[in-house]
Formats: sequence, structure tokens, C-alpha cells
Amino acid sequence: EVQLVESGGGLVQPGGSLRLSCAAFEFTFGRHWISWVRQAPGMGLKWVANINPDGSQKNYVDSVKGRFTISRDNAKNSLYLQMNSLSVEDTDVYYCVRESFWAFDLWGQGTMVTVSS
Amino acid sequence: QSALTQPPSASGSPGQSVTISCTGTSSDVGAYNYVSWYQQHPGKAPKLMIYEVSKRPSGVPDRFSASKSGNTASLTVSGLQSEDEADYYCCSYGGSNYWLFGGGTKLTVL
Repeated sequence: EVQLVESGGGLVQPGGSLRLSCAAFEFTFGRHWISWVRQAPGMGLKWVANINPDGSQKNYVDSVKGRFTISRDNAKNSLYLQMNSLSVEDTDVYYCVRESFWAFDLWGQGTMVTVSS
Repeated sequence: QSALTQPPSASGSPGQSVTISCTGTSSDVGAYNYVSWYQQHPGKAPKLMIYEVSKRPSGVPDRFSASKSGNTASLTVSGLQSEDEADYYCCSYGGSNYWLFGGGTKLTVL
């Protein structure tokens, strides 16, 4: 089945770090831009970052620049998001999302990140 | 960059049509034909319903249509059905490989 599966979420203290992973199945992962999109419980969607197919281009929303790093390993069909200096405002569900035809056409189920002391 | 503006709620009776607006600026919605719409049911991941302003992915019913005029995009759901009750989000490319989402509209089928 064509899908994206996130993992790595959990509870972390303010100022801490967390690394999210996303595994891709049944499609040519290395041909697609991939994004991370976040959503606070009961709130709207916010784009976080994306990376081009070979990993040479990375883009971030201003609020995470310098704290989050997106990366990928095409040999492992995997995407990562290293999150440092986390604050309570980073508490969200994080979705791994495939980009295609200038839209987000395949979403993972999401992984919850809770930043709390 | 600010989020796109959507009405927080919309509603209609079964069989009726409802239109949800999405207002951006001349730097995002008005500048690119890269507006997409997503449906999200409670506890589920979003689902792509419309891409490139008005195109429907395979499997999306033709009851869903969309358009754009200037800085405002619109999603119309015709022949409302109970399963259409969900949150709907618009999204636009904002240039410099930056994406903007709307705040979301909760569609209620009365």
C-alpha cells in the first residue's frame, strides 16, 4: 500500500530535542519533494519544512529556522525532522506529506509531539 | 507570512450547495495557480480534494469543484451529503518554496 508512516513523537521538556522519522512505502520516494506539516489539536494546518528529491534544497518556515533540520535517506526511503530547542508552542501533530502537482497528495497518519515540563 | 483567510464555519442541508472562500494576497493566491483544498475528518489525516485551483484527483467526487478569482479561491460542494461534514483547508504556494494554509472551515451538514 502506498503510504507514509511517521514515528518518533512523544513527550519532551522545554528546551529539549526530538527526532521524527517518516518511512515511505510502495512509491518512488526519491522522486518527490516531501514536507512536514504540523497541526495543534483542534487547530489549523501549518507548513513546517520541505526537502527536494536529492536532499540538496531545504526550506523552513521562519518560526523553526535554526531549530529544526529536515533530512532524508533515499536508500532507506526515509525522511527525518530533527527538532532542537523545543518550546511549548511546538506541541502539535506532525505529518509527513508527499508533494505532487503543486499540492500535498499523500499524508501520513501523524505523530504527536508534546512539549511540557 | 500570514495564513490564508477562511470563514470558520459553513453549513447546508443535504442536497444543497455550499461555497467556502479562501482569501490570500497578490503574493500567494493571486500570484500562482497552485491552490489546493483538503478535507479532514475528526481524528484523521487531511485528504487532497482539489489541486492546481480546480483539478480533482482520481476518486474525488465531481460534487467538489473549485475556482479562483484574483486573490480569492473558492471551493463548492454540491449535492451535500452527510459524509461531507468535515473541516476544509485551502493551501497556496507563497513563492520561494513556501506554503500557506488557511485557518480551516468547519462544514456542517444540517
